[in-house]
Amino acid sequence: KAGVTQTPRYLIKTRGQQVTLSCSPISGHRSVSWYQQTPGQGLQFLFEYFSETQRNKGNFPGRFSGRQFSNSRSEMNVSTLELGDSALYLCASSLGGTEASPLHFGNGTRLTVT
Amino acid sequence: KQEVTQIPAALSVPEGENLVLNCSFTDSAIYNLQWFRQDPGKGLTSLLLIQSSQREQTSGRLNASLDKSSGRSTLYIAASQPGDSATYLCAVSGNEKLTFGTGTRLTIIP
Repeated sequence: KAGVTQTPRYLIKTRGQQVTLSCSPISGHRSVSWYQQTPGQGLQFLFEYFSETQRNKGNFPGRFSGRQFSNSRSEMNVSTLELGDSALYLCASSLGGTEASPLHFGNGTRLTVT
Repeated sequence: KQEVTQIPAALSVPEGENLVLNCSFTDSAIYNLQWFRQDPGKGLTSLLLIQSSQREQTSGRLNASLDKSSGRSTLYIAASQPGDSATYLCAVSGNEKLTFGTGTRLTIIP
């Protein structure tokens, strides 16, 4: 069974640009959640989607948005990039929501903003 | 607001020893607690999930316990091996979604 796939693996962008990250969950998983990992703040929850609906949202500005498609694949978009957005972005999928099932993580997208 | 703390931040032990990693959380209203390991530059691998109604879970050399009333969880690793070297994170699922601890970086010395 294929694991969670995140693309691209690495990204370099400049301030002010926007970026879209992609996450393909494990087949059959309906929940996809996104996280930002930085050395200073650790792992922080961004949002969770379940069956194309956003269930929960973390404390991030509106520049961070996401969506989920009917095949459960999810995308995350960050607009007007800032230097502080440089981070490892991880997505995870689970059968049920994050409160019910183990999470399976992808290897992440490393975003560098210059 | 849920806060999750893991102490120590780093731990080094000789191969073969048993060890315990600690996780503390401030809000006992949780759905579950999960333990993960993260290897450098990689995503997280789920190790154990303990539902709020459970006291412990075991998988191979790993045993995780949960004491909701005291806001604590421990991850016990038996007979440690160099391959166990990684960062271990706990995460608590509750009304405030999923909150991660800052992790313990474990090094097993051959």
